[in-house]
Amino acid sequence: GAGVSQSPSNKVTEKGKDVELRCDPISGHTALYWYRQRLGQGLEFLIYFQGNSAPDKSGLPSDRFSAERTGESVSTLTIQRTQQEDSAVYLCASSSTSGSDTQYFGPGTRLTVL
Amino acid sequence: GESVGLHLPTLSVQEGDNSIINCAYSNSASDYFIWYKQESGKGPQFIIDIRSNMDKRQGQRVTVLLNKTVKHLSLQIAATQPGDSAVYFCAENGRGAGNKLTFGGGTRVLVKP
Repeated sequence: GAGVSQSPSNKVTEKGKDVELRCDPISGHTALYWYRQRLGQGLEFLIYFQGNSAPDKSGLPSDRFSAERTGESVSTLTIQRTQQEDSAVYLCASSSTSGSDTQYFGPGTRLTVL
Repeated sequence: GESVGLHLPTLSVQEGDNSIINCAYSNSASDYFIWYKQESGKGPQFIIDIRSNMDKRQGQRVTVLLNKTVKHLSLQIAATQPGDSAVYFCAENGRGAGNKLTFGGGTRVLVKP
C-alpha cells in the first residue's frame, strides 16, 4: 500500500517568506507527527496529532511555526517569516494509533532559506 | 533532560562482517525502543523494535539487544552488505514522554567492498 507522502520534495525560499509543507499519512493512521532534521543531525520532534484530540505542540521552536490537520488525513506545516536557521529537512510520520506504535516516515521536504 | 545518544558516530565495516551499533539512553522509564535506517535523501525506515519486557529480538539479519541495567541498546547486523550503508538512529518512546520519539544523533555505517 501507499506510504507517507510529502510535498514538495524540495523548497527554496527567501528569508521572510512564508512556506507551507504538506503531509499525506498512511490511510487509516490516526496519529501524525512532524519532525525537523538539520544537516547531519538527528530528528527533533515538532508536533503530534492524534485523532480529534488537541495536538501536542511542545516541540514547535517558535510561534512562527504552526500545523493543522484535517480529521485523520492531510496535515500542513506552516512556517511564517522564514529565517535561515529554518533550513532543514522536515519529516512527517504516521502511526496506526498513539503511544508505542511504529511510526512510518515520509521522504521529507528539504527546505532551504536563502 | 532525558536523552538518547550513540557511542560511535561512524562505523566502517568490511562486507560480510557483522556490524554492531550501540546506543545509550538515560530515561529509566523508557519502555519502547526502535532502530531506524536512513539512506541519503530518504526518510528514516523502520528496522526493528523492542519493548522493555524483552532483552533480545531478532529480525532478518538484524538483532536488537536491550540491557536495562545499564540502559544500553544495540543493533547487530549480520553479514553486512553494501546496501546496509546508511545512518542508523535509535529512538525511544518512554512513559511520560508523550507520543513523540526521542532520537539519538545517529551512527553512519560504511560498508567496504
